[in-house]
Amino acid sequence: ETGVTQSPTHLIKTRGQQVTLRCSSQSGHNTVSWYQQALGQGPQFIFQYYREEENGRGNFPPRFSGLQFPNYSSELNVNALELDDSALYLCASSLAIHRAFEETQYFGPGTRLLVL
Amino acid sequence: DQQVKQNSPSLSVQEGRISILNCDYTNSMFDYFLWYKKYPAEGPTFLISISSIKDKNEDGRFTVFLNKSAKHLSLHIVPSQPGDSAVYFCAASAYQAGTALIFGKGTTLSVSS
Repeated sequence: ETGVTQSPTHLIKTRGQQVTLRCSSQSGHNTVSWYQQALGQGPQFIFQYYREEENGRGNFPPRFSGLQFPNYSSELNVNALELDDSALYLCASSLAIHRAFEETQYFGPGTRLLVL
Repeated sequence: DQQVKQNSPSLSVQEGRISILNCDYTNSMFDYFLWYKKYPAEGPTFLISISSIKDKNEDGRFTVFLNKSAKHLSLHIVPSQPGDSAVYFCAASAYQAGTALIFGKGTTLSVSS
């Protein structure tokens, strides 16, 4: 077990709604990354946060946004939900020392989002 | 355009035999490679990694081989056990481009007793 927790485990929303997913990082980890895993695919990088600032972003539209808090917990917010947003959302924590980022990331169990 | 490819969606192996999972990549900037294992209803679990300055890394029953000229890596599991049955993901990162992990689509390994 990695010590990375996510809530909720499952969520059902309707198209056009907004959703907030939460992640608590492994103790001591100051960097969090979010990934989307569609059915039958590998996880796709959404964005990463370090010291409460976005540190990189994948090919996702601006309606995907995030926050990282001083205690290193984080949120993923998705506005104007679309049917294709149905997926498993994973957060992963890692350690960075003076912006030297550790490559290995440790994943939480994920939140499964269904958009109807 | 897939930068990390796992061309075998599935692999079946008998208990005690060797499992070999393959991964190819196209981006020559990748300098760190990882393997993750994923059970249903759980997040990916880190297994083993290798830096591009090495060609082999071992951890118990797991060995990862890297062939940079062929842009190919493989994960060997010896001996395979039924508990190894899971989806295995290959991932890569290019440190100069940030620390995003780029994943393949995964290979489902089934180990029968």
